[in-house]
Amino acid sequence: NAGVTQTPKFQVLKTGQSMTLQCAQDMNHNSMYWYRQDPGMGLRLIYYSASEGTTDKGEVPNGYNVSRLNKREFSLRLESAAPSQTSVYFCASSGGTPAQAQYFGPGTRLTVL
Amino acid sequence: AQSVSQHNHHVILSEAASLELGCNYSYGGTVNLFWYVQYPGQHLQLLLKYFSGDPLVKGIKGFEAEFIKSKFSFNLRKPSVQWSDTAEYFCAVNPVNNYQLIWGAGTKLIIKP
Repeated sequence: NAGVTQTPKFQVLKTGQSMTLQCAQDMNHNSMYWYRQDPGMGLRLIYYSASEGTTDKGEVPNGYNVSRLNKREFSLRLESAAPSQTSVYFCASSGGTPAQAQYFGPGTRLTVL
Repeated sequence: AQSVSQHNHHVILSEAASLELGCNYSYGGTVNLFWYVQYPGQHLQLLLKYFSGDPLVKGIKGFEAEFIKSKFSFNLRKPSVQWSDTAEYFCAVNPVNNYQLIWGAGTKLIIKP
């Protein structure tokens, strides 16, 4: 039982490049989330998927797109990376609403030069 | 805008000292409240949560938190800390019927052996 897995763990991009962060969970959870964490700030929600087939914007969605590929997988795409997107990205999942505990992946450290 | 404030960014204590980490939030409605912890090299994980009922909630590893509605606070406490409590602690607030989880900036706790 791996929980929530994320790939890659580290990534360096040049401004304007694109990339997709992958996330998968094996807990049969309905809801999945993408957060970013910046120094001195709490986690901020980028996008979430309340259930398979639905996605919604969070607090900071600009510059990102997501795909809920199936119940297990939820990917985050940066179409044209900017230095302001340098951050640590966390994927999480929960059984239902955020009222239920969220389970986190190990994070992806992304640097945009 | 809704926000969560954690008063101390860094706390250093000796083993056996008592711990209290402050958390205040700004939201006038009903909320669910959480403390998450990230031990060095590990994923973020749930420490304890409050939904309703007894405002004093107990979590794992001897931690507890008290919800004081009139003060919009949810402070984390432990009577006697151990070296293994060294970690970063995050307070998070979920307005009921909302998928947003609003996070504090975190408190890095270092326990000196």
